[in-house]
Amino acid sequence: QQQVKQSPQSLIVQKGGIPIINCAYENTAFDYFPWYQQFPGKGPALLIAIRPDVSEKKEGRFTISFNKSAKQFSLHIMDSQPGDSATYFCAASSGTDKLIFGTGTRLQVFP
Amino acid sequence: NAGVTQTPKFQVLKTGQSMTLQCAQDMNHNSMYWYRQDPGMGLRLIYYSASEGTTDKGEVPNGYNVSRLNKREFSLRLESAAPSQTSVYFCAASRGLGNYGYTFGSGTRLTVV
Repeated sequence: QQQVKQSPQSLIVQKGGIPIINCAYENTAFDYFPWYQQFPGKGPALLIAIRPDVSEKKEGRFTISFNKSAKQFSLHIMDSQPGDSATYFCAASSGTDKLIFGTGTRLQVFP
Repeated sequence: NAGVTQTPKFQVLKTGQSMTLQCAQDMNHNSMYWYRQDPGMGLRLIYYSASEGTTDKGEVPNGYNVSRLNKREFSLRLESAAPSQTSVYFCAASRGLGNYGYTFGSGTRLTVV
């Protein structure tokens, strides 16, 4: 019940495409859903986060869509660029507990 | 501000050797974490410290020990390194448990031969 299931494991798109990464959870107590971006040789960095009181949040070309009834949330990258090539992790937490991370998606954006 | 600083960046150990990975944060955050990252396995939590003076086991604590030396520093010790501990280790810090973003260090790449 504490798991966050992330898919796909890897994703290849061309420049300008809209990659979508999906995450699903079971614990209905989760109320914070961040996404992290990790470049090779670096630590993960917080990209964008959403709380369940909204269904969508945009920051630049990055959008989180949240479906509370389906217990799913996804990351969309608009007009993807080769510089977006990285590993993306979704995560979730509840109240005063630590984050639970998904297993990551390696995204490659080709020119 | 440096954020979260990890040392060393690279290390090669022989099986059975011991070492301590150091982590320090300058954000005055209460909670700190140690993760390991292996290909296809994502980030797995080894130990965490919710606040100064407390430590708790995570998902994969066997073979490791930790010390929350003070609010700034959280070290990870391998008492007798094994090849299975070859990994990239990340330290992270957050204001507290729950709905706070984590700031990660740049990692330590450890190889045990």
